[in-house]
Amino acid sequence: KNEVEQSPQNLTAQEGEFITINCSYSVGISALHWLQQHPGGGIVSLFMLSSGKKKHGRLIATINIQEKHSSLHITASHPRDSAVYICAAPPRVSNFGNEKLTFGTGTRLTIIP
Amino acid sequence: DTGVSQDPRHKITKRGQNVTFRCDPISEHNRLYWYRQTLGQGPEFLTYFQNEAQLEKSRLLSDRFSAERPKGSFSTLEIQRTEQGDSAMYLCASSSYRPDTGELFFGEGSRLTVL
Repeated sequence: KNEVEQSPQNLTAQEGEFITINCSYSVGISALHWLQQHPGGGIVSLFMLSSGKKKHGRLIATINIQEKHSSLHITASHPRDSAVYICAAPPRVSNFGNEKLTFGTGTRLTIIP
Repeated sequence: DTGVSQDPRHKITKRGQNVTFRCDPISEHNRLYWYRQTLGQGPEFLTYFQNEAQLEKSRLLSDRFSAERPKGSFSTLEIQRTEQGDSAMYLCASSSYRPDTGELFFGEGSRLTVL
């Protein structure tokens, strides 16, 4: 099983601030997922990345496979970004990177107007 | 396609009763996953299917839990003789079996409360 740890557990910031959430994992993998969960339970996939960096709007995800570390950044944060952000990793290097994921406990982000 | 749908969204039952949850994945997705999430925790893997084959089950899935995916389309997760510890959100997700598009699509979840 891949041990996945996230930090911080909780993060409160002012609107407009640059946000960084970190994720580390214990076993080499082929790809890592970043997910967003809003109150009420719905989970949305933000990124699946295997190397380097991906960008979608104000969200940027980076991964360093050798260091077993990934970060999620939010630029110009907005109150609607308030949610729980979860990283998830498969148990080993695999062809597709999305089976039997181990999830972090999540980072609860609150953006204050 | 309207995405992954789960039914029911909420279920309250008494201890000892059986419950069944249904998941309808995105139609072209051949992989389907069940996860369980308790309050304040990340989701935990329960089982997954590729088409109709159940490829792996977590040790979290006791003998009281059974999942099926007949014909490789919708899936059901049944919990027999429910216990209070089964109270959780049961999440279903689907994905396509392709290395370049392994993105997971989640349903809204089925929240189970066992009294």
